[in-house]
Amino acid sequence: QQQVKQSPQSLIVQKGGISIINCAYENTAFDYFPWYQQFPGKGPALLIAIRPDVSEKKEGRFTISFNKSAKQFSLHIMDSQPGDSATYFCAAIWGVGFGNEKLTFGTGTRLTIIP
Amino acid sequence: DSGVTQTPKHLITATGQRVTLRCSPRSGDLSVYWYQQSLDQGLQFLIQYYNGEERAKGNILERFSAQQFPDLHSELNLSSLELGDSALYFCASSAGQGRGETQYFGPGTRLLVL
Repeated sequence: QQQVKQSPQSLIVQKGGISIINCAYENTAFDYFPWYQQFPGKGPALLIAIRPDVSEKKEGRFTISFNKSAKQFSLHIMDSQPGDSATYFCAAIWGVGFGNEKLTFGTGTRLTIIP
Repeated sequence: DSGVTQTPKHLITATGQRVTLRCSPRSGDLSVYWYQQSLDQGLQFLIQYYNGEERAKGNILERFSAQQFPDLHSELNLSSLELGDSALYFCASSAGQGRGETQYFGPGTRLLVL
């Protein structure tokens, strides 16, 4: 059962443009929402994360917008650069207690930044 | 470099065989997670260990098992392998001190079942 829906599946953006990737979740028990960046042949790496009590978090060119009532969150990459070309995964975490948590990933978005 | 190491990097085997994937977490991390990444299923959480004990189970098949040893390294055992088990297998680790922690992923083991 897919609990985190991610779109689009692929995205092509011109250099300098804004890349936007969207995710929606169903399980209201999720309480931590990280985004991972994965380059070919590498493991996913944490990019930025947000908790649901915050509507926006910005780190450099990367911003997460969070809409708790709509159960949606999105990643914005400002001034997109060719080096941003990678696969991006949204994720959601829930757990029943200390040291017990499950990370559910979205299906991924392959981002390509063209000159 | 995340500090998580996985061996081997590549593994080619035949159907019906058994393989063992190994993971060493970052120094000091108590939690180890295993994930499977395939083209049609995306990234799937398999299982989590915390300080030697199983803590959470995801979509792990009965043919698969894992354990975490006293030195905190972990092994994922895959048996009676099928063609569909071909995938990238990632290990991740975290400090295990609370929820919402960063999980650091290793470089993965690419398994090909022929």
